[in-house]
Amino acid sequence: EPEVTQTPSHQVTQMGQEVILRCVPISNHLYFYWYRQILGQKVEFLVSFYNNEISEKSEIFDDQFSVERPDGSNFTLKIRSTKLEDSAMYFCASAFGSYNSPLHFGNGTRLTVT
Amino acid sequence: GENVEQHPSTLSVQEGDSAVIKCTYSDSASNYFPWYKQELGKGPQLIIDIRSNVGEKKDQRIAVTLNKTAKHFSLHITETQPEDSAVYFCAASRLSGAGSYQLTFGKGTKLSVIP
Repeated sequence: EPEVTQTPSHQVTQMGQEVILRCVPISNHLYFYWYRQILGQKVEFLVSFYNNEISEKSEIFDDQFSVERPDGSNFTLKIRSTKLEDSAMYFCASAFGSYNSPLHFGNGTRLTVT
Repeated sequence: GENVEQHPSTLSVQEGDSAVIKCTYSDSASNYFPWYKQELGKGPQLIIDIRSNVGEKKDQRIAVTLNKTAKHFSLHITETQPEDSAVYFCAASRLSGAGSYQLTFGKGTKLSVIP
């Protein structure tokens, strides 16, 4: 069964550094998402992406965050200048269509900011 | 915005017994309610979902019920097995103008099935 794959599985970075989290969505999917989960808290929506542009973003997704689909397969989340509170599990997800298609999640990247 | 509350936070059942997890939501416009299972070290995996035009849906040992009036929905697992042990998340969403999922998740229920 096709999967959403994320790399790396664990990223450690120093405060103020830039990080790029990478995702390969399922190949025929058209909608892409990033969610995050701070340890012990809820999974939270960050951003959705369709047709090479952001379709929705949450309050969490401020100017420090950006997303990109640089080629036909990768979908990346960049955090420009990491803060301690960015430490979380980041999940990429994709869906074939919009409302009537189920969301498939990757296994996540654990980001630790020190 | 939407707020989803999930109970209980932990649940232990004997193998073969049933498990029930309950969620409430606040936004009456929400009309899609998926349930995810998350095993250690993995991402959430969709196990069942229900839309607001349906009151109940069943898939083998798993069923979900929805009460739109009361704004709550529940996951029922019958004949539980040790491999059902995981964290279960409920979520709610409504159709956005952009056609994307902005799922709001509950805090999760850690289910332990005791052999």
